[in-house]
Amino acid sequence: EAGVVQSPRYKIIEKKQPVAFWCNPISGHNTLYWYLQNLGQGPELLIRYENEEAVDDSQLPKDRFSAERLKGVDSTLKIQPAELGDSAVYLCASSSSGLSTGELFFGEGSRLTVL
Amino acid sequence: DAKTTQPNSMESNEEEPVHLPCNHSTISGTDYIHWYRQLPSQGPEYVIHGLTSNVNNRMASLAIAEDRKSSTLILHRATLRDAAVYYCILYSGGGADGLTFGKGTHLIIQP
Repeated sequence: EAGVVQSPRYKIIEKKQPVAFWCNPISGHNTLYWYLQNLGQGPELLIRYENEEAVDDSQLPKDRFSAERLKGVDSTLKIQPAELGDSAVYLCASSSSGLSTGELFFGEGSRLTVL
Repeated sequence: DAKTTQPNSMESNEEEPVHLPCNHSTISGTDYIHWYRQLPSQGPEYVIHGLTSNVNNRMASLAIAEDRKSSTLILHRATLRDAAVYYCILYSGGGADGLTFGKGTHLIIQP
């Protein structure tokens, strides 16, 4: 069975340009997460979806970041316009059950470099 | 979520056991203890989790102190492929927020 798939793996853009990341979770997983990971730090939660509903987006910088999960499957995270400080790895994860008993499955991440 | 404290880094030799400590003195009765690891250029992967009793799986063992204020992840026979950052995370369950990661322990394995 395929794991969580993310694309692109690497993206280099100039500041003020837009960028989008795509995530395909494991089939049947209702919960989808986007995390941000800066160099040398642990991942930080940006947004969590239950099916197509964003149930926790308190850490998402809404002035420039947006996310959507149409039809409750694939998800897209967008940054517009990108700033130098947005250079990081953007991780997508999914799960099928409550985290107390289930586990979180992560993709390989999308590494963004803003010049 | 309650906070955990882990050493920044640890070093071990290949084919020897590794004990990775985690302190969580403010753990509540409903907090589960999760361990994840992150290999270079990969996303984190689940290792093991527990509530009160010690747990074993094919990857590792989790030893939980009787007062639950600390736990230890045990890799029984480390290989070079176990070199990674290991995260100890408390989660209160109930399908609420995602996991809150700290900086973790960077495990170095010497051949």
